[in-house]
Amino acid sequence: QSVLTQPPSASGTPGQRVSVSCSGSSSNIGSNTVNWYQQLPGTAPKLLIYSNNQRPSGVPDRFSGSKSGTSASLAISGLQSEDEADYYCAAWDDSLNGYYVFGTGTKVTVL
Amino acid sequence: QLQLQESGPGLVKPSETLSLTCTVSAGSISSSSYYWGWIRQPPGKGLEWIGSIYYSGRTYYNPPLKSRVTVSVNTSKNQFSLKLSSVTAADTAVYYCARHRYSSGNNWFDPWGQGTLVTVSS
Repeated sequence: QSVLTQPPSASGTPGQRVSVSCSGSSSNIGSNTVNWYQQLPGTAPKLLIYSNNQRPSGVPDRFSGSKSGTSASLAISGLQSEDEADYYCAAWDDSLNGYYVFGTGTKVTVL
Repeated sequence: QLQLQESGPGLVKPSETLSLTCTVSAGSISSSSYYWGWIRQPPGKGLEWIGSIYYSGRTYYNPPLKSRVTVSVNTSKNQFSLKLSSVTAADTAVYYCARHRYSSGNNWFDPWGQGTLVTVSS
């Protein structure tokens, strides 16, 4: 079964730009759109980016997403203390009759 | 706006069946283009999709869990349910329900319920 690989951690100071990578394969990121979820401590995940680079209503424009080939990236510009959270990428995988796969997760720390 | 709420026992014995229900409010579970899904998160670990269902009853399941999972829908109550059989300690997790936007090549979960912790222990 496929896995989407993310770095365990990332960090930055307030105001900095932080990027989180997500590596997949041809059957998931290579064939389908990527989503990103933000999970603040002790809360349920929240959709942050859908369809590679679309922000749901209410999500600040300092969050942006991109995709190239079998990899995707989430960028947080102008990092703020409230951005300290776990971030997960995700995509549909077309193998094995289809299933939804999450990334391994990245803890973003604001120094 | 649309809200989802999980309910069910917080403690299940090993080898028994875990049963949870998700109640959808401020929206219809019979909406087209939307499936309804279950996702879980073991303590301190990442997210794992369990399965999703359309209001017609069509389902998709995560292959490693498929043999133990049943997701069903009750449109008259605006609810959908999860049953996971033969549970072990490895099934201890926070279980979330969420609306699943499903289309070819384009899938995401939004919104999510608050989650409910299910512990498997004797």
